[in-house]
Formats: sequence, C-alpha cells, structure tokens
Amino acid sequence: DAGVIQSPRHEVTEMGQEVTLRCKPISGHDYLFWYRQTMMRGLELLIYFNNNVPIDDSGMPEDRFSAKMPNASFSTLKIQPSEPRDSAVYFCASSLRAGYGYTFGSGTRLTVV
Amino acid sequence: AQKVTQAQTEISVVEKEDVTLDCVYETRDTTYYLFWYKQPPSGELVFLIRRNSFDEQNEISGRYSWNFQKSTSSFNFTITASQVVDSAVYFCALSGGVDSSYKLIFGSGTRLLVRP
Repeated sequence: DAGVIQSPRHEVTEMGQEVTLRCKPISGHDYLFWYRQTMMRGLELLIYFNNNVPIDDSGMPEDRFSAKMPNASFSTLKIQPSEPRDSAVYFCASSLRAGYGYTFGSGTRLTVV
Repeated sequence: AQKVTQAQTEISVVEKEDVTLDCVYETRDTTYYLFWYKQPPSGELVFLIRRNSFDEQNEISGRYSWNFQKSTSSFNFTITASQVVDSAVYFCALSGGVDSSYKLIFGSGTRLLVRP
C-alpha cells in the first residue's frame, strides 16, 4: 500500500495565480480530509468527503478555496486567486471508516510570494 | 462543540528522563475516538494510537504509554526513558461521533525536545 499520495511536495507561486493541490487516498478508504497547517493556527480541517461527497466545508476560509473529489481515488484543492497568507502546509488524509485511524499524506508546502 | 487542549507548548528534557504530555478534550458525543500523532522535524504526521470512548484501559507500546481517564476527560501520553529521536511535535486529536460527524480535531501540539 503506497499510503496517501500528495502532489506536488512543494509549490511556489506568485500572488494571484491559481494553485491546485492533488491527493490520492488509500484505496478503499471512504473518508478524505484536507487540512492546513500554519504556525499561527495549527492544524485546521478545511473540508472532508465521505464516498466522494463533500460533507462539511465549514473550514474553507474563503470562496477562493474549492475542493473536489470526482472519484474515489482522486481529490483536488484549488486556490484561485492565491494570496501570501495562503502560504502553509496542506495535508490530505484518508480513513477507512468514521473514527478509524486517519492516514496522512506527506503534505504540500505552498509558498505564495 | 469539540475541543482539544494541550496546555504544554514546549517541553525540554534530558535523554533518559520520563516525560508526560497532557491532553484534555471536550465533546458532547457519547461515542468518540482519541488519537495521538507525532510530527518529526521532517514534517509528516505519524499515527501513534487510537482509543475509543468505551475502552478506558491504559495501553503500553514499548517506551510509550497512554492513560485515558473519562472522569477527567484526559488522554495523556508518557514516554519512558526518552531518546533524542523522540524530539518532535506531538498532537492529540479527537474524532466525535454522530453529532460531530467524526471530524478529526487537533490540539495545538506540544513540542518535545530531548537533549543528549
């Protein structure tokens, strides 16, 4: 099992550009989560999906953020337009069932200049 | 609402000392799950343990042990005979039941520094 796979590992972009982060969950996992980690706010849950359906997006900071899960093996988190305050590490995680162990990807370090 | 509090921001110990990381949680769910994760300097989040709300047995895994007490809403983590490789940020997390839709909520983390 390859675990949760995120790409890219690092992304540097200019303010105003569109950024797309990608995640491949573990096969068979029904839940997928997107988190953001910053020094100031710690680990924040942005959105999560159950069986490809968004369940709770209350953590998405602004309309500039959007997430999709077109199928069970792929999810994207898009920021358009990006701003310097979006600089953070973005983690994707998946879980077999509610309350089970959550496996995290290696994260994408986003820097917006 | 769910909440996880890790009051210790940073702890520094000398190698071979025992150290306890505190975690206090709040939830109205009767079914919930508690977790500890380790984040070493490399940045990944490593799963350490999961405990459900109906199992208050303490658990030991090598030098690691966990003390779950529902009466005080605490889930503390002890490292015995600490080693330099234990230096990391440790997160306690809570996943609530039906009312909270099993969202995984993290505490602010405790940075542990083990000095040689």
